[in-house]
Amino acid sequence: DAGITQSPRHKVTETGTPVTLRCHQTENHRYMYWYRQDPGHGLRLIHYSYGVKDTDKGEVSDGYSVSRSKTEDFLLTLESATSSQTSVYFCAISRGSGGNEQYFGPGTRLTVT
Amino acid sequence: SQQGEEDPQALSIQEGENATMNCSYKTSINNLQWYRQNSGRGLVHLILIRSNEREKHSGRLRVTLDTSKKSSSLLITASRAADTASYFCATDDSNYQLIWGAGTKLIIKP
Repeated sequence: DAGITQSPRHKVTETGTPVTLRCHQTENHRYMYWYRQDPGHGLRLIHYSYGVKDTDKGEVSDGYSVSRSKTEDFLLTLESATSSQTSVYFCAISRGSGGNEQYFGPGTRLTVT
Repeated sequence: SQQGEEDPQALSIQEGENATMNCSYKTSINNLQWYRQNSGRGLVHLILIRSNEREKHSGRLRVTLDTSKKSSSLLITASRAADTASYFCATDDSNYQLIWGAGTKLIIKP
């Protein structure tokens, strides 16, 4: 987990409220990713970034938006949280594109009630 | 969509035994990676094997890749209690992003 932090680590929120998760890296890696992990599904890519202000959608992007205004920070926003977004969210970084080795943060456990 | 699928879903062995888990995938790849996840933690990269490689070693880990069968195996020799974790394979898709399997949960009994 060295060099990558996520905040908050745990959050409980109510349906319909906006939520922002933050990923911060000190490695100066170009690529950053947001995944969600649910039982039986492994990791699923939500959004990724290939540079400042450069982002793209992943497999499960509906209901999520991202922003990257600085190399070190990648924000994931749930505009209006739903119970189906209860999950563990992981941020990852890599030097090169997604096929390269990725380094993961410790995760954020989000519960939407 | 899941590219990689691990088998078995769960594996329980005695400490000191070898553990083998398998990964199958559907489309052609540039490389395949294995990661470990301890309970409640983020994933940790173990090994990357490229499509033109057949076998790779790292300490007690041995990974094989058979592109004709679209499958890979991860062997952990002389298992230890600290190897208890979930193990995931990941392959790159056409957009050079990683596609993940659902993982194998490995339990090492003392």
